[in-house]
Amino acid sequence: EAGVTQSPTHLIKTRGQQATLRCSPISGHTSVYWYQQALGLGLQFLLWYDEGEERNRGNFPPRFSGRQFPNYSSELNVNALELEDSALYLCASSTGTGPQNTGELFFGEGSRLTVL
Amino acid sequence: AQSVTQPDIHITVSEGASLELRCNYSYGATPYLFWYVQSPGQGLQLLLKYFSGDTLVQGIKGFEAEFKRSQSSFNLRKPSVHWSDAAEYFCAVGAAELVFGAGTILRVKS
Repeated sequence: EAGVTQSPTHLIKTRGQQATLRCSPISGHTSVYWYQQALGLGLQFLLWYDEGEERNRGNFPPRFSGRQFPNYSSELNVNALELEDSALYLCASSTGTGPQNTGELFFGEGSRLTVL
Repeated sequence: AQSVTQPDIHITVSEGASLELRCNYSYGATPYLFWYVQSPGQGLQLLLKYFSGDTLVQGIKGFEAEFKRSQSSFNLRKPSVHWSDAAEYFCAVGAAELVFGAGTILRVKS
């Protein structure tokens, strides 16, 4: 069974540009989470989507946005890139919040965004 | 508010020695607790999790963790460390989106 897949693996942008990162969850998983892992800052929660709806977002500015598609894949968009947006962006999926929820997140290997 | 504290940023142990990584949490209800491991440039892999029941949980790669409600702790242990255990370890708490600690970098010396 395929795990969580993310693309691209690496992305280089310049300040002010927009970046789009993509994530495909494990088959059967309805929840997708996005985390930012910047150097020295640990994993910071960005966004949570479940069944196509945004369920929660972390303490990030509105230029961080995303969506979840009917097939449960997800996009993270970062507008007006700033140097400090350089980080590893990790996507994770889970079975959702229903009775089948195990709470466990399954992570992809991440997309490394570099902003010059 | 939920929070996780991993007080040790770096730990160095000798190969074959025992290991304990500390984790303290703050959570409003009965917590779901997790330990994840991250090798350089990789995503996170789940080592073990605690939902309820037996407070000593076994995980993969010979790791175990003990939930102590009175101390709000969920420390990770391994009786004998291997060089391949060198990585960064994250404790996490939550029931949907997880809150992660800052991580502990484990170095193993031969």
